[in-house]
Amino acid sequence: KAGVTQTPRYLIKTRGQQVTLSCSPISGHRSVSWYQQTPGQGLQFLFEYFSETQRNKGNFPGRFSGRQFSNSRSEMNVSTLELGDSALYLCASRIGLGYNEQFFGPGTRLTVL
Amino acid sequence: TQLLEQSPQFLSIQEGENLTVYCNSSSVFSSLQWYRQEPGEGPVLLVTVVTGGEVKKLKRLTFQFGDARKDSSLHITAAQPGDTGLYLCAGARGYGGSQGNLIFGKGTKLSVKP
Repeated sequence: KAGVTQTPRYLIKTRGQQVTLSCSPISGHRSVSWYQQTPGQGLQFLFEYFSETQRNKGNFPGRFSGRQFSNSRSEMNVSTLELGDSALYLCASRIGLGYNEQFFGPGTRLTVL
Repeated sequence: TQLLEQSPQFLSIQEGENLTVYCNSSSVFSSLQWYRQEPGEGPVLLVTVVTGGEVKKLKRLTFQFGDARKDSSLHITAAQPGDTGLYLCAGARGYGGSQGNLIFGKGTKLSVKP
């Protein structure tokens, strides 16, 4: 069974631009969560989607948004990029809301210049 | 305020030594997961513990969930260079929908020298 896939793996943008990251969960998994990982703050929860609806949201500004499609694939968008948005963005999937195990993808390394 | 405190932050040991990593909180978690992460990759799930006092073994790794479900430990016996990596604990508060929001410790960077 294929794992969680994320595209692209690496991305370089400049301040003020916007970016869209994509995540395909494990087949059969309907919940997708997004996390930001930085050396200073570690892994921080951004939001979770299930059945195309945002179920949970972390403490990030409105520039960070996401969506989920009917096939459970998810996208995350960051608008008006800032230097501090440089991070590894990780996507994790789980079977559904009643399941506690999350499986992570390899991440997208975003660098903002 | 870091909800999950991991210690130590860094650990450098020789092959064959034993080690323990701790994950502590003042909050109660419905479940706790341990991950290992290699540089530039996503975390790989090692184990999930859900019951207070639960002990799980994975080859040379032993995981324990505290009786009050506020803390956990990871013990590695006879460490090998292949155990090198960043070990992360992550707790879920609540059930169902709330479990999608994992709270992570800052991690323990383990280096095992041959």
